Amino acid sequence: AQTVTQSQPEMSVQEAETVTLSCTYDTSESDYYLFWYKQPPSRQMILVIRQEAYKQQNATENRFSVNFQKAAKSFSLKISDSQLGDAAMYFCAYRSYSGNTPLVFGKGTRLSVIA
Amino acid sequence: DGGITQSPKYLFRKEGQNVTLSCEQNLNHDAMYWYRQDPGQGLRLIYYSQIVNDFQKGDIAEGYSVSREKKESFPLTVTSAQKNPTAFYLCASRTTGLGGNTIYFGEGSWLTVV
Repeated sequence: AQTVTQSQPEMSVQEAETVTLSCTYDTSESDYYLFWYKQPPSRQMILVIRQEAYKQQNATENRFSVNFQKAAKSFSLKISDSQLGDAAMYFCAYRSYSGNTPLVFGKGTRLSVIA
Repeated sequence: DGGITQSPKYLFRKEGQNVTLSCEQNLNHDAMYWYRQDPGQGLRLIYYSQIVNDFQKGDIAEGYSVSREKKESFPLTVTSAQKNPTAFYLCASRTTGLGGNTIYFGEGSWLTVV
């Protein structure tokens, strides 16, 4: 079974600075998807960014980018120019490419943004 | 508006009672999921369904039951056999067709045992 590990329960960053959240995963599959979801205090799960394992290029969405290292099974999220609205729980998630399998989540990292 | 609607937002259950959480989607998605969230535990899968009249147990299915009689509906019943049901519950869905790589979530339901 696949597992996802987020080793940083809490992180903090100064406003306008850059922060990187770590995620590692364990799988024997070669094709899969990786995701970062944001959960603000409202508890709504918001998709931040998605990466297909077969793509070598790292995904980017505005201020959010990932560092995908397939051999190392690492999938970190970099937030640039941090804003107060970035404060939230961030979850890393894995889904197999084949079949209709559910997402497997890490335990999350709570990000605080300091003004 | 298209989306996933969970109700009620807040629910209180007495010891020994069964309660049902509603999840409705108008996105025409085939697959639907129920997750439970506890502090420090992330999201854990309870049940999921890929098509109507079919569903599979997730990692923590004991004490829960589901049905999938309609494509747009996937209600979750928390039975009295679930010993620690106080948690936040999230419903999600995904199309299994082209472009169905992303799972979308409802706004969640809080269940508290009193």
